[in-house]
Amino acid sequence: GQNIDQPTEMTATEGAIVQINCTYQTSGFNGLFWYQQHAGEAPTFLSYNVLDGLEEKGRFSSFLSRSKGYSYLLLKELQMKDSASYLCAVRDGDYKLSFGAGTTVTVRA
Amino acid sequence: GAVVSQHPSRVICKSGTSVKIECRSLDFQATTMFWYRQFPKQSLMLMATSNEGSKATYEQGVEKDKFLINHASLTLSTLTVTSAHPEDSSFYICSARSASDYEQYFGPGTRLTVT
Repeated sequence: GQNIDQPTEMTATEGAIVQINCTYQTSGFNGLFWYQQHAGEAPTFLSYNVLDGLEEKGRFSSFLSRSKGYSYLLLKELQMKDSASYLCAVRDGDYKLSFGAGTTVTVRA
Repeated sequence: GAVVSQHPSRVICKSGTSVKIECRSLDFQATTMFWYRQFPKQSLMLMATSNEGSKATYEQGVEKDKFLINHASLTLSTLTVTSAHPEDSSFYICSARSASDYEQYFGPGTRLTVT
């Protein structure tokens, strides 16, 4: 099985940077995903890491260290619309995703 | 591309009745579909994995006789909640992937309320 930990809540100011950490212990690893989810909606894909290093995609970047079982999602130039839940998910060899509990990010003016 | 739809988006049913939720991949062939359940303020929990033309694989603790899954074609999977009870009220989300893609594409979800 998978054990995935991420902080429950984070608060940041508009225009700032926030880093959401995710640690995992897995029985199989075939990639790590980050999703954004607004209340009452389905998750939307943000990023995917399968090799160590940083993947940058506009204001969002994601980092992976497989040896440490660690990833982070970096949100830059925060906007009010970035207030949402951010889910870390690990995929196993059968393409099944196991999700962390999610980190609720609140962006304040 | 890679759009997944779900129908209905919301459903209210009485306790003891059955409800069917459809998940369709609109512009690709989904060799595998996944069904998740999400309770308020909790994360997504995988219920079952469904491959076209074969029986679904259920996660531990999910009753296969209560949550019937059919994946009869490469673009359609259905989840039927049988003899629904109030504790089955939840947000049900499907996702789909093709054989050639690393990503799962999520449907918009179905909010089920059992009264």
